[in-house]
Amino acid sequence: DGGITQSPKYLFRKEGQNVTLSCEQNLNHDAMYWYRQDPGQGLRLIYYSQIVNDFQKGDIAEGYSVSREKKESFPLTVTSAQKNPTAFYLCASSIAAGSKTEAFFGQGTRLTVV
Amino acid sequence: QQQVKQSPQSLIVQKGGISIINCAYENTAFDYFPWYQQFPGKGPALLIAIRPDVSEKKEGRFTISFNKSAKQFSLHIMDSQPGDSATYFCAASSTLGGNSGYALNFGKGTSLLVTP
Repeated sequence: DGGITQSPKYLFRKEGQNVTLSCEQNLNHDAMYWYRQDPGQGLRLIYYSQIVNDFQKGDIAEGYSVSREKKESFPLTVTSAQKNPTAFYLCASSIAAGSKTEAFFGQGTRLTVV
Repeated sequence: QQQVKQSPQSLIVQKGGISIINCAYENTAFDYFPWYQQFPGKGPALLIAIRPDVSEKKEGRFTISFNKSAKQFSLHIMDSQPGDSATYFCAASSTLGGNSGYALNFGKGTSLLVTP
């Protein structure tokens, strides 16, 4: 059953802590993306990766970090430098970046700072 | 620096009516324009997409109209049903990349409610 798996579904973080959100895909896609969704703001791009061991900053990368050591995995770390981390985080993948093909999304992780 | 502007923010339509959502963009390098549908607590899913070499694409009750000269595109949902109630996002991307162009740039979304 192919798709994108994000975990956990819900995550609570204390202020000052780093947390890592998991994203795994078994679609054999080269490109992977992280978006942040806030009410009324749409989806804003945090980071994207076109290929293993390579990634680029999106529009709101400050306070976030990523790695792409394996084709299947693109974890996102929300650092303590991110001032307002409470949001719904979505991971996506596509065959290739800019390929005019469908981007498949995971079910999201809702992060709450307590 | 939002690259895709979407309107309206919310829309209420009676069952059987036509829902129309509009988007506009500035980057002329964009060459792929999809629409995504999202239900609460779920990830978005592709609804329909268009490339700039055609002015209209229809799939069932869903139609995209594209106006390259005006840099605008719209989603029409014919015979709207209560099950269509969701948030709809337009998006755009470019095969040329640059300034996050490779990745999908999304509008802010339209919350559609179809009343029985």
